[in-house]
Amino acid sequence: AQKITQTQPGMFVQEKEAVTLDCTYDTSDPSYGLFWYKQPSSGEMIFLIYQGSYDQQNATEGRYSLNFQKARKSANLVISASQLGDSAMYFCAIGTGGFKTIFGAGTRLFVKA
Amino acid sequence: EAGVTQSPTHLIKTRGQQATLRCSPISGHTSVYWYQQALGLGLQFLLWYDEGEERNRGNFPPRFSGRQFPNYSSELNVNALELEDSALYLCASSSTVAGGIYNEQFFGPGTRLTVL
Repeated sequence: AQKITQTQPGMFVQEKEAVTLDCTYDTSDPSYGLFWYKQPSSGEMIFLIYQGSYDQQNATEGRYSLNFQKARKSANLVISASQLGDSAMYFCAIGTGGFKTIFGAGTRLFVKA
Repeated sequence: EAGVTQSPTHLIKTRGQQATLRCSPISGHTSVYWYQQALGLGLQFLLWYDEGEERNRGNFPPRFSGRQFPNYSSELNVNALELEDSALYLCASSSTVAGGIYNEQFFGPGTRLTVL
């Protein structure tokens, strides 16, 4: 069975600083995808970044980068130069065979001015 | 390009009733996923439909069911509603995987179901 663990229920970061949101996973599937989504208070889920299990390089998308450490089964999200609009819930998710996506409990990020 | 749409936005039902939620995927997407997000909690996978077939379901009782229509839109039905079914129900769509293991899912705005 797949499992995603996000151990930080809430985090604060100063505007313009970088922040790392932790995510560890567990799966027996050799092929899988790791995702991060952002959920603002309005409720919509916004796709941020994707990392495939066989990708050699860490994924980056603008200010978002995924620190993928396969041996440790971790897929931390790094947000550089935080902005006030980054305040939201962040969910890590894993997709494996059968396309059953498992989401973590989420981390609420607060960006302070 | 229109995103994933869901209707209704809000739905209020009483215990024992049935609820029907609807989702239209992004044009060209054949897969539709349903998730339940209880207040303050993460997303729980409910169902995955692709090409009109139910491909996978999460750990939910049989009173949660659905279907996918030929135009790839989907319906989620919840029978015999219970108070704990109150949640945000999110629908997502993705294109069919061709050789890869996964495609990103695009989410709709959700339907807020309240069971009284």
